[in-house]
Amino acid sequence: GDSVTQMEGPVTLSEEAFLTINCTYTATGYPSLFWYVQYPGEGLQLLLKATKADDKGSNKGFEATYRKETTSFHLEKGSVQVSDSAVYFCALSDNYGQNFVFGPGTRLSVLP
Amino acid sequence: NAGVMQNPRHLVRRRGQEARLRCSPMKGHSHVYWYRQLPEEGLKFMVYLQKENIIDESGMPKERFSAEFPKEGPSILRIQQVVRGDSAAYFCASSPGGQPTDTQYFGPGTRLTVL
Repeated sequence: GDSVTQMEGPVTLSEEAFLTINCTYTATGYPSLFWYVQYPGEGLQLLLKATKADDKGSNKGFEATYRKETTSFHLEKGSVQVSDSAVYFCALSDNYGQNFVFGPGTRLSVLP
Repeated sequence: NAGVMQNPRHLVRRRGQEARLRCSPMKGHSHVYWYRQLPEEGLKFMVYLQKENIIDESGMPKERFSAEFPKEGPSILRIQQVVRGDSAAYFCASSPGGQPTDTQYFGPGTRLTVL
């Protein structure tokens, strides 16, 4: 079945550091790919998405490119802030759109 | 436009009791999804519903769990005879259609604690 693998956390960075969170997937067909962010005690918020190969999703300084050849959707940000501390989930939507498959999440802590 | 609403936000039950979790999708959304998040884990799909229909319940435990999305009113996730292992955060999401490219919008979750 479909699956999503993320780099294990926690990830601890200093403010203004460069962030990469790796995400790779296994799926039949051509899934859509998403990054969601979860702040403590809250639900998930969509951060960005890409629906076809080579698409780049971007939002709030974060970006990720849908790489079909490497089945990856790595999340990057050039300069993180303390307010970016959260858990980040990579997810895919299968061909039928019936449910999302989530990665286990990567906890990011940004220190001032 | 109000987002996805879930209530209660926190629910405490003793073993053997019933838990009812409610989800009101975003206005105009007719597709509802339920997920469960165990502590320090990702979200696991449970069930996908449209108005009055269960489309996919492949992630639902076979016993004690049921879900509905009636013509009027919120979607309900019902857990009968709860056990400690049911303690988790339950998230509802909605989308305007069931397309793979559709974003799912999540509610704040219901955190169930079974004593």
